[in-house]
Amino acid sequence: GENVEQHPSTLSVQEGDSAVIKCTYSDSASNYFPWYKQELGKGPQLIIDIRSNVGEKKDQRIAVTLNKTAKHFSLHITETQPEDSAVYFCAASIGGTSYGKLTFGQGTILTVHP
Amino acid sequence: GAVVSQHPSWVICKSGTSVKIECRSLDFQATTMFWYRQFPKQSLMLMATSNEGSKATYEQGVEKDKFLINHASLTLSTLTVTSAHPEDSSFYICSASHPRDRGGGYTFGSGTRLTVV
Repeated sequence: GENVEQHPSTLSVQEGDSAVIKCTYSDSASNYFPWYKQELGKGPQLIIDIRSNVGEKKDQRIAVTLNKTAKHFSLHITETQPEDSAVYFCAASIGGTSYGKLTFGQGTILTVHP
Repeated sequence: GAVVSQHPSWVICKSGTSVKIECRSLDFQATTMFWYRQFPKQSLMLMATSNEGSKATYEQGVEKDKFLINHASLTLSTLTVTSAHPEDSSFYICSASHPRDRGGGYTFGSGTRLTVV
């Protein structure tokens, strides 16, 4: 089955700096790669996703890049703010007409210091 | 956007009792729903996949007789923790997949904190 590895496990940055979180996946059939932000006591919230037919996607301060050949994808957050502090998870699945089960990375605790 | 409502948000129960958690898709039909368990400071672990009108598919190591999943309609899936014990205390999260014409991907519920005393 799919295996997703995520690094780093913790990341501490100063407000205004950039943050990068990296993930690798094992199943070449995976074609859908979402990133979730989870705050304490809440369910994961989708922040950005990418499908395997594109290499990069950007939404304001957040961007995701995908390298299908190397089977890795990364989350980039620019101009970080204290409210970006949370746990971030990458995930992978096979999606088409319907979407199969999602495999999560181990999570990254991001702390943005004011 | 697609919304998934999960209730209750927290529950405390006595050891040996059963607890039911509901997951509803509010504005779309969820053919497939997923149930996860999350321990503190850990990732989400998939427990089972449920498809409307059929039996759930459980992940290896998950006791199907202990974690009963019912997906009787396209908008409702339930997880019942039977004969709960303190080791079942955890954060349970449901999600629903939505078809490509609704953007594809998944929407997650807000989670249920179960504490068994």
